[in-house]
Amino acid sequence: EPEVTQTPSHQVTQMGQEVILRCVPISNHLYFYWYRQILGQKVEFLVSFYNNEISEKSEIFDDQFSVERPDGSNFTLKIRSTKLEDSAMYFCASSGTGGNEQFFGPGTRLTVL
Amino acid sequence: QKEVEQDPGPLSVPEGAIVSLNCTYSNSAFQYFMWYRQYSRKGPELLMYTYSSGNKEDGRFTAQVDKSSKYISLFIRDSQPSDSATYLCAMSFRGSTLGRLYFGRGTQLTVWP
Repeated sequence: EPEVTQTPSHQVTQMGQEVILRCVPISNHLYFYWYRQILGQKVEFLVSFYNNEISEKSEIFDDQFSVERPDGSNFTLKIRSTKLEDSAMYFCASSGTGGNEQFFGPGTRLTVL
Repeated sequence: QKEVEQDPGPLSVPEGAIVSLNCTYSNSAFQYFMWYRQYSRKGPELLMYTYSSGNKEDGRFTAQVDKSSKYISLFIRDSQPSDSATYLCAMSFRGSTLGRLYFGRGTQLTVWP
């Protein structure tokens, strides 16, 4: 069964460093998302992406964040200058037509020291 | 944000019990309703997806939506220890082209043998 994959599974970085989180969505999906989950809190929407551009972003997704689909298979989230409060699980998701049935990857645990 | 409310539990039941999980929401514009299962430190796994009011059954799982009360439920019949996980409700708006999901906090369920 096709699935969303994410790398790395765990990323440790120093405050102020740049990190890139990578995702490979399900191959025939067209809509891509990033969510995050701070320990003990709700899963929160960050951004949605379609047709090579951002469709919607939340208030969390400020200028420190960017997304890119560098090729036909990968979808990346970049955080330019990490803060302690960026420590969270970051989930990539994808969906086919309609956009409502979203399938999540296993997540990347980001720890900012 | 209090758009989607979900009792975090924990909920502990014996094997074979019927489990009832619930969420309430405040925004009547939500039209699509989902239940995800999340094992510890894993990504959310889509269990059930429903549109508008009514019931939907899939094996031991039944999802119920009552839009008049802004209340959704997930019932698990003949619960098994393997059902032990956190259950997240999620919903999105009609007309949202890319279906940004709003999640509840999740209910932690333990089914003991």
